[in-house]
Amino acid sequence: EADIYQTPRYLVIGTGKKITLECSQTMGHDKMYWYQQDPGMELHLIHYSYGVNSTEKGDLSSESTVSRIRTEHFPLTLESARPSHTSQYLCASSSGGGSFEQYFGPGTRLTVT
Amino acid sequence: GESVGLHLPTLSVQEGDNSIINCAYSNSASDYFIWYKQESGKGPQFIIDIRSNMDKRQGQRVTVLLNKTVKHLSLQIAATQPGDSAVYFCAENKGSSYKLIFGSGTRLLVRP
Repeated sequence: EADIYQTPRYLVIGTGKKITLECSQTMGHDKMYWYQQDPGMELHLIHYSYGVNSTEKGDLSSESTVSRIRTEHFPLTLESARPSHTSQYLCASSSGGGSFEQYFGPGTRLTVT
Repeated sequence: GESVGLHLPTLSVQEGDNSIINCAYSNSASDYFIWYKQESGKGPQFIIDIRSNMDKRQGQRVTVLLNKTVKHLSLQIAATQPGDSAVYFCAENKGSSYKLIFGSGTRLLVRP
């Protein structure tokens, strides 16, 4: 059973606020990912990390930033939220070592008013 | 460019029938493919995967078929149940990296 957690599950916030979406996994996975997904649509990779102190931008440009100070923790931050940031944000992790399967958290649904 | 796409956005099937969800991919260098199921309000859940050195792989009630000649992937669900109603995504690995490229998803509706 995969153990990957995201908080908050739902967030409604006003324009201009700074927000941090939390993601933690207890599987000791080196690789972690953030995806953005509009309802019923495909997942777009916005950030990924292959280990501590290693972060890269994904295929979809995003104004968010990430950090990876601990293996188990991969938070995503928006310095100034805008309505265009309204979406679902999914965090995932994988073990690597020849395994490509990614384990997903439940997601954070963000609404910026 | 690289893309993973699905032929049908919505598939409606009768409970008990078999379901087939199709997926096309364009990157011939991909060597790993995976199917995810996503229920409303939840993150994607692994169903089954297959590597490019295989044509077919079976799981519990599910089978994945890979046709590398035409770059086509399919997911077959036997005896479809109401609990199978969800959006299904196929994905492929991006070259030699661990990143996955996701398709646009097919919504499976199971009629009672």
